Amino acid sequence: GAGVSQSPSNKVTEKGKDVELRCDPISGHTALYWYRQSLGQGLEFLIYFQGNSAPDKSGLPSDRFSAERTGGSVSTLTIQRTQQEDSAVYLCASSLDRRNQPQHFGDGTRLSIL
Amino acid sequence: GESVGLHLPTLSVQEGDNSIINCAYSNSASDYFIWYKQESGKGPQFIIDIRSNMDKRQGQRVTVLLNKTVKHLSLQIAATQPGDSAVYFCAENRGYSTLTFGKGTMLLVSP
Repeated sequence: GAGVSQSPSNKVTEKGKDVELRCDPISGHTALYWYRQSLGQGLEFLIYFQGNSAPDKSGLPSDRFSAERTGGSVSTLTIQRTQQEDSAVYLCASSLDRRNQPQHFGDGTRLSIL
Repeated sequence: GESVGLHLPTLSVQEGDNSIINCAYSNSASDYFIWYKQESGKGPQFIIDIRSNMDKRQGQRVTVLLNKTVKHLSLQIAATQPGDSAVYFCAENRGYSTLTFGKGTMLLVSP
């Protein structure tokens, strides 16, 4: 498709389990972002990949969170030893790697930790 | 810290009215602003953007106004339709930095 694709769309798991969330950015977009959105809240920045540069991990809330981007395209966000406070919608966005470009979002993964 | 915020959490309008959604920002270094629309269960959808060297930009039924003097941004939607009902976010950006989002305003359009 032409847009940002995220999978799974929904994920329910037990506390303490690890989860992996996937993002396929728009073709040709070299910048990729992960955000977290809690119920009724704005978007919280997590991590930013820009081309081949080292990612900006300044938004990751703890060392249980990590992300990688393989081949400059698909990205995976991993949450280890999930906690109930990790329940949220995880959104991925991509953009052209130029100054002042709009980010285009996927529909997110709704993560529920039991 | 500096942040982007919204004045009104909920705005209710009648179909056909014009809607105005406001946003205040505090970072004078921000040079790029975006409005997003988010429907339930969907990701934010890009509506319109504006760079700090502009005061106004128009799209299809939408206009964004930027007042740098008072650090204020607004989104005007003409002839609002029920399909415009959603949460609207403003976001700011500086150079290659990530976007900083406000908490959003819910727009409710009654037929």
